[in-house]
Amino acid sequence: IAGITQAPTSQILAAGRRMTLRCTQDMRHNAMYWYRQDLGLGLRLIHYSNTAGTTGKGEVPDGYSVSRANTDDFPLTLASAVPSQTSVYFCASSPTSLPFDIQYFGAGTRLSVL
Amino acid sequence: SQQGEEDPQALSIQEGENATMNCSYKTSINNLQWYRQNSGRGLVHLILIRSNEREKHSGRLRVTLDTSKKSSSLLITASRAADTASYFCAIIQGAQKLVFGQGTRLTINP
Repeated sequence: IAGITQAPTSQILAAGRRMTLRCTQDMRHNAMYWYRQDLGLGLRLIHYSNTAGTTGKGEVPDGYSVSRANTDDFPLTLASAVPSQTSVYFCASSPTSLPFDIQYFGAGTRLSVL
Repeated sequence: SQQGEEDPQALSIQEGENATMNCSYKTSINNLQWYRQNSGRGLVHLILIRSNEREKHSGRLRVTLDTSKKSSSLLITASRAADTASYFCAIIQGAQKLVFGQGTRLTINP
């Protein structure tokens, strides 16, 4: 079934540890996104990529990094996790980065930083 | 922030009733999108309405857009238990990226 796969589905992480959240799509979409969702704050954009080889910062990029080596994969790395990064993380993709494109979301990764 | 803001934050109705959720925003838009999120799942796109459209239908969903009032509404008719979810509006902001509101949590009671 075509779509977006995120891994892991959940993770408990000690503060200070490095963690990479994986995201893979098989729809050959050009644009990909990482969001975090916190209670009462909705979804906030962390980083995005309009096409393979390019990335950009969203609303809340500090403490996170991304790479886009190919079309399908868009990993999100927390270099040194802090408790404030406890959240649910969603990866999404869209066919292009144009404003009228809809986004397709993965099932999310629930991360707890202790 | 110029994100869309949904109202109400939570809504509880009986199955079969209609549910109306509203979204207000502050900036000019090219289009506005509505998404649904079931508990523990990712968001699913419902409908997109362009700035030159006033109303759009998709099955039991009806979306309206009033650009003069900078507001949109999502109406779900003849609600079902499966409609229980959170609903988000999203608009384009800044570097042409979607910005989501905080959502309306809809509960359909049997």
